[in-house]
Amino acid sequence: QQQVKQSPQSLIVQKGGISIINCAYENTAFDYFPWYQQFPGKGPALLIAIRPDVSEKKEGRFTISFNKSAKQFSLHIMDSQPGDSATYFCAASVLFGNEKLTFGTGTRLTIIP
Amino acid sequence: DAGVIQSPRHEVTEMGQEVTLRCKPISGHNSLFWYRQTMMRGLELLIYFNNNVPIDDSGMPEDRFSAKMPNASFSTLKIQPSEPRDSAVYFCASSFRGRDSPLHFGNGTRLTVT
Repeated sequence: QQQVKQSPQSLIVQKGGISIINCAYENTAFDYFPWYQQFPGKGPALLIAIRPDVSEKKEGRFTISFNKSAKQFSLHIMDSQPGDSATYFCAASVLFGNEKLTFGTGTRLTIIP
Repeated sequence: DAGVIQSPRHEVTEMGQEVTLRCKPISGHNSLFWYRQTMMRGLELLIYFNNNVPIDDSGMPEDRFSAKMPNASFSTLKIQPSEPRDSAVYFCASSFRGRDSPLHFGNGTRLTVT
């Protein structure tokens, strides 16, 4: 049973545009929602994370928006750059943060000039 | 900090052979995770350890898979006998148990079973 649903599967955005990736979860006990970025041949790396006590978190060009009632959260990449081209995974976990992270299926983002 | 170190980077083996994947977590981290990544199933948690003790192995697909963590600086994932459907990228990750402690992944081992 997939507990974190991610969309779209792939996304093409023009340089300078806004990239938006969405995730929905089922388990209301989840209390930690990170996003990971993965480049080819590398392991995923933490990009940004949010807790359910806030509705938005921003770090540079990256913003997480969180809607607890809808059980949804999304990643926004402003002013998207070719270097942002990667696969992005949302994730969720319970209890002590990143223990037993459940990952979404990933979104392959391509930024075109 | 060298990060999480996995070896080998690539492994090609024949069906029925034993495969051992190795991981050295980041020094000071007390939690270690093994994940498997495939196109069909994405990132799946196989097993995780806390303070060298296996906490949850419910993701281990079957008895052919086993994992050990004999000390805080080393872990292995063994597949015996291997099958073609085991072909995937296997990631090891480590963290310091606690809220907001990020998971640090290694660069993975790409396993191909022919």
